Amino acid sequence: DTEVTQTPKHLVMGMTNKKSLKCEQHMGHRAMYWYKQKAKKPPELMFVYSYEKLSINESVPSRFSPECPNSSLLNLHLHALQPEDSALYLCASSQDGTGTGVGEQYFGPGTRLTVT
Amino acid sequence: AQSVAQPEDQVNVAEGNPLTVKCTYSVSGNPYLFWYVQYPNRGLQFLLKYITGDNLVKGSYGFEAEFNKSQTSFHLKKPSALVSDSALYFCAVRRGGATNKLIFGTGTLLAVQP
Repeated sequence: DTEVTQTPKHLVMGMTNKKSLKCEQHMGHRAMYWYKQKAKKPPELMFVYSYEKLSINESVPSRFSPECPNSSLLNLHLHALQPEDSALYLCASSQDGTGTGVGEQYFGPGTRLTVT
Repeated sequence: AQSVAQPEDQVNVAEGNPLTVKCTYSVSGNPYLFWYVQYPNRGLQFLLKYITGDNLVKGSYGFEAEFNKSQTSFHLKKPSALVSDSALYFCAVRRGGATNKLIFGTGTLLAVQP
């Protein structure tokens, strides 16, 4: 099973709302990622968790707050977003958490976020 | 600094013809190279990777890629294109022995005409 699941598929939120995106994998992968993708552009890395610890934060604004409750789950908490934050948010996972492995990343289908 | 270039925004090919999607990279040390495909409103799907060994790598859906160290290229190829291959293709690189971070190219839209 090489599946990464994400919920919800679509989310519309106002600038004052608080919402969360959820990602789950059951492949035993020890690294998990959040990406932001605008239409027809490459994914932009936001956060990396290795062995459930935040290892990379690509200078993402604090209105995005990641959380890794356990090795299978990854959340992205959203608060006071701006319209320019509207995008496809992708979760991914890879087997090795140390950064020295050769494994590929497996991506979920994404959450389409619209901020009004 | 690591970088990946996909020089063509779009590649058009007739069904049944061979296709090539180009990728060149710049990285210090040994590169780990990847190709991903993205269909509309979907996540990225892994196609193939080069880590070491044989320069010709075979992947999913009949795709293959050739690693050329002297030209720092990793072009994606398929002998006979299908209309269903129409999608957005991303090349990515990671420096061996470094972080999990992937550097993506800008993407190439492949359009296969029937």
